[in-house]
Amino acid sequence: GQNIDQPTEMTATEGAIVQINCTYQTSGFNGLFWYQQHAGEAPTFLSYNVLDGLEEKGRFSSFLSRSKGYSYLLLKELQMKDSASYLCAVRPSNDYKLSFGAGTTVTVRA
Amino acid sequence: DAMVIQNPRYQVTQFGKPVTLSCSQTLNHNVMYWYQQKSSQAPKLLFHYYDKDFNNEADTPDNFQSRRPNTSFCFLDIRSPGLGDAAMYLCATSRAERDPQHFGDGTRLSIL
Repeated sequence: GQNIDQPTEMTATEGAIVQINCTYQTSGFNGLFWYQQHAGEAPTFLSYNVLDGLEEKGRFSSFLSRSKGYSYLLLKELQMKDSASYLCAVRPSNDYKLSFGAGTTVTVRA
Repeated sequence: DAMVIQNPRYQVTQFGKPVTLSCSQTLNHNVMYWYQQKSSQAPKLLFHYYDKDFNNEADTPDNFQSRRPNTSFCFLDIRSPGLGDAAMYLCATSRAERDPQHFGDGTRLSIL
C-alpha cells in the first residue's frame, strides 16, 4: 500500500510564511503533486516535482527529496484566500494513478 | 470556462435507490477518473478509464459501476446506495500519464 502523511491543520497570519510537510512511503516514485482545495470545491493543481530540489511558482514553492521521501509546500506572503486544504499526492512508478494524503487545512488569520 | 463539469453539484437520494452522477470534459483528455472523498479524508480512487479501457480498484465495492460512452462523458452509477456512500464524488481527467489531473467541482451525495 501507499502511505502519505501530512499535518492535519496549520494556522498562520496574513503576510507570513507557512511550510506544509509531506512524507511518503510508496511502492515506487514517479512524481509528487500538490493540490489546493477550497471547502466544497475541486482540487486545483499547484505544483509538480519529479526531481530533487525546489520548484518556485510565484508565492508558492515546492521542494522534493526522493532519498528522504519528503516534500514541502511553501506558501509566502499569505493572503486570506490561501485558507484551504492542501493535498499532497504521489504517483508510484509505472502507474499514473495518484495516492493522496488526507490534506492539511491551512487557516490564515488577519 | 469550466473544463471538467460535474452534474449535479448536490444530489440527494434514498437508501437503496439507484443514482447516477455525470462528468463531462472539454479537454479531450484520454484518462478519466472517479474519486470518492469523505470529510477530512484523502480522495480515494474508485476507477479510471484510459480511453475505453476500464480499470477498477481492487477495493471498490461492487455497488459502484462506471460507463464511458465517448471521450467526453463518464458516468458513475451507484446501484444501491447505503448510508456509508454519502460523500463528495470527484471526477478528474488527464491527457496522459505524466500530466496533472484536472478536477471537476464534485457532486456531494447525500443519502436519506
